[in-house]
Amino acid sequence: DAKTTQPTSMDCAEGRAANLPCNHSTISGNEYVYWYRQIHSQGPQYIIHGLKNNETNEMASLIITEDRKSSTLILPHATLRDTAVYYCIVRVSSSGSARQLTFGSGTQLTVLP
Amino acid sequence: DAGVIQSPRHEVTEMGQEVTLRCKPISGHNSLFWYRQTMMRGLELLIYFNNNVPIDDSGMPEDRFSAKMPNASFSTLKIQPSEPRDSAVYFCASTRDSRSYEQYFGPGTRLTVT
Repeated sequence: DAKTTQPTSMDCAEGRAANLPCNHSTISGNEYVYWYRQIHSQGPQYIIHGLKNNETNEMASLIITEDRKSSTLILPHATLRDTAVYYCIVRVSSSGSARQLTFGSGTQLTVLP
Repeated sequence: DAGVIQSPRHEVTEMGQEVTLRCKPISGHNSLFWYRQTMMRGLELLIYFNNNVPIDDSGMPEDRFSAKMPNASFSTLKIQPSEPRDSAVYFCASTRDSRSYEQYFGPGTRLTVT
């Protein structure tokens, strides 16, 4: 699986868009990009995933560059409750029997009032 | 939907005692995962089940750990005997499709072994 690189921490003003980058320059053609977050003292929460097209759901938007070497998770109007560690994970959709998610260090997003 | 349910939420026990953690996955989900999270090691997969069958237990730290899934709506993770280094937050997660990485996590069980 491709490795990912994320900034250690970021701040964002409440009500503004939070743009969280992820570098995955060794990504393969059949690997998806997944985003999760973990709010303090809670379990990780699935946010969104994509292969090559941009994706949007009720939580966020995922922008994947044309060469797929990087992506950006966008929280359009960040709130204080969005303060969490955000993880970018790259996985092949079907890789034998292994289905584990490998969480790296992630980005600590702090939304400031 | 109630989401993934775990019990107990907190467990404090003495070294050498048996500990049993419980998980009820989301109804209709056919894969279940047990993870452990510590500050030092982050989030680690211990074992996962597909259709109640253990598929990969390579993350189980040692024989003191065992997991079962007797039916589609219940799983246990047992530690016997427990040791202080087992102190961690244990998460259970489930997913609808065994090919999907869209996993839904429970609130976790915080285990403290003294």
